[in-house]
Amino acid sequence: GAGVSQSPSNKVTEKGKDVELRCDPISGHTALYWYRQSLGQGLEFLIYFQGNSAPDKSGLPSDRFSAERTGGSVSTLTIQRTQQEDSAVYLCASSLFTSMNTEAFFGQGTRLTVV
Amino acid sequence: AQSVAQPEDQVNVAEGNPLTVKCTYSVSGNPYLFWYVQYPNRGLQFLLKYITGDNLVKGSYGFEAEFNKSQTSFHLKKPSALVSDSALYFCAVRDIGGFKTIFGAGTRLFVKA
Repeated sequence: GAGVSQSPSNKVTEKGKDVELRCDPISGHTALYWYRQSLGQGLEFLIYFQGNSAPDKSGLPSDRFSAERTGGSVSTLTIQRTQQEDSAVYLCASSLFTSMNTEAFFGQGTRLTVV
Repeated sequence: AQSVAQPEDQVNVAEGNPLTVKCTYSVSGNPYLFWYVQYPNRGLQFLLKYITGDNLVKGSYGFEAEFNKSQTSFHLKKPSALVSDSALYFCAVRDIGGFKTIFGAGTRLFVKA
């Protein structure tokens, strides 16, 4: 596609439920990133993928968070047993892998509200 | 470990005046440095990057940034601010060794007419 696409754009869920957030990167981009932006805060790194593998999962806040990427394209971020502190905007970005100095292109984000 | 600091939560400037948004970084080796902008209800957009070479980097919308290795800084500048520049600005650093990109907390820029 023309840009990074994320769905849903908004998600309201009850505390304790599981949620799945989807990211469709720019075609041909092999690097994919997930960030979290809480209200009034900066971007918190969660995880990144090179192809289908995730060499760095250090940013995942807890074992309730997991992410996968299949076919070197679409990625899903799953949050199990959601808590109110999980409420944030979850941003996905992708970039070319051909050079480490390439910039990332961001999607519009998924605004998650846990009630 | 990489880190980025944006010491100002907010910067206020009058339209037509020069603006500076500050950023300092810490990495173990040589850095790649980026600036992004986030307009209200829109995604982050890339502004400019420093890879190597000239310390003064020019980017989109008339913005530029100056890399200072001794001060480990990468301040964003614009000679003449516009009201439409009002937005949230993020500095980011990537260690040359990998793809992990760390973002600062962001600086909100207000440009008054």
